[in-house]
Amino acid sequence: GIQVEQSPPDLILQEGANSTLRCNFSDSVNNLQWFHQNPWGQLINLFYIPSGTKQNGRLSATTVATERYSLLYISSSQTTDSGVYFCAVGRYYGGSQGNLIFGKGTKLSVKP
Amino acid sequence: DVKVTQSSRYLVKRTGEKVFLECVQDMDHENMFWYRQDPGLGLRLIYFSYDVKMKEKGDIPEGYSVSREKKERFSLILESASTNQTSMYLCASSTFGAGGPENEQFFGPGTRLTVL
Repeated sequence: GIQVEQSPPDLILQEGANSTLRCNFSDSVNNLQWFHQNPWGQLINLFYIPSGTKQNGRLSATTVATERYSLLYISSSQTTDSGVYFCAVGRYYGGSQGNLIFGKGTKLSVKP
Repeated sequence: DVKVTQSSRYLVKRTGEKVFLECVQDMDHENMFWYRQDPGLGLRLIYFSYDVKMKEKGDIPEGYSVSREKKERFSLILESASTNQTSMYLCASSTFGAGGPENEQFFGPGTRLTVL
């Protein structure tokens, strides 16, 4: 099956710093999503981005499908950005609806 | 706005009990999924359903069953709860599509289940 690797596993930042999170995947995919898991466990959708670049406020993401990686950029980090960031990929073929395969996540801690 | 709800945020059960976890979505989605999340293992798929009364096994279906009698509701059943089923359970839904943006999955708030 598809393997998903995220790096770094842990990241500690001072408030205001920028960061880049990486997601590598082992095969072609139709779906790639970035999530933020808040301290209460809720997975918040950040981006649906199987290819290309998207931006939403201080967050942006880029997926280079041909090279099988995606990057999540966080600029001017805030303490509320703390939590675990997950990359998840999926592949749909024929009538299959597939499912998401998750990386192990990057745990981000933003210090005031 | 997209909404997936789960019946309980926290649940404590005893070994051997039958446990029902309920998930409801209000987006008219065809696909629904149950995942469990464990430290060091990440999120793993237990079961999914792409239509009423249809179900497919995921990566770790042992010890679980599911029920989908209505489109908006997907239940996860632990027939005889065991301590190794203590975990965070997350439900998700998506539309039925061909690999485009319609396949974006949306998650509920999760249920933290403790089996004593």
